[in-house]
Amino acid sequence: EAGVAQSPRYKIIEKRQSVAFWCNPISGHATLYWYQQILGQGPKLLIQFQNNGVVDDSQLPKDRFSAERLKGVDSTLKIQPAKLEDSAVYLCASSLIAAGGNIQYFGAGTRLSVL
Amino acid sequence: QKEVEQNSGPLSVPEGAIASLNCTYSDRGSQSFFWYRQYSGKSPELIMFIYSNGDKEDGRFTAQLNKASQYVSLLIRDSQPSDSATYLCAVAREYGNKLVFGAGTILRVKS
Repeated sequence: EAGVAQSPRYKIIEKRQSVAFWCNPISGHATLYWYQQILGQGPKLLIQFQNNGVVDDSQLPKDRFSAERLKGVDSTLKIQPAKLEDSAVYLCASSLIAAGGNIQYFGAGTRLSVL
Repeated sequence: QKEVEQNSGPLSVPEGAIASLNCTYSDRGSQSFFWYRQYSGKSPELIMFIYSNGDKEDGRFTAQLNKASQYVSLLIRDSQPSDSATYLCAVAREYGNKLVFGAGTILRVKS
């Protein structure tokens, strides 16, 4: 079974530029998550999708971040314009709700450096 | 007060010893508890999850949960150098949804 795919693996941009990340979840997983992990911290949930609908985006900085999940499969996360403090690893995770739990599986992440 | 607190470490243990990792959480409504391992530069991978008070064992790993004390721990028996990583504790109010992560504990197993 293929895992969660993310691209690109690394991205370096200058502040005020825009950037987009792509995620393809595990086949059949209805729930998709985007996390931001700043160095030395645990992942922080940015947005959660159930199929193509948003379940939780309470911690998404909506003035600069946007995300979509068209057709309930792939998802993109965009930052426009980027700030220095956006430098982090952006992790995508997916889950299949099963009896007794909802295990999240993570992709390899995209490491973003904003200069 | 942070929602999920972990000692940042590093926790250093000799090879073959038991490593004990601890986590406290503030939300009494939390229902499910997860331990993830994260190697440097890699993504988190699930080690164990626990929902009920008590112990849950899986190979060399044992998760312990005490909801009254809002405390969850992970024991690693017969620690190996390959166990050296950051261990993230995550908590959810509902089963698996909206995980809140701690900052992680760095474990170093010395050979």
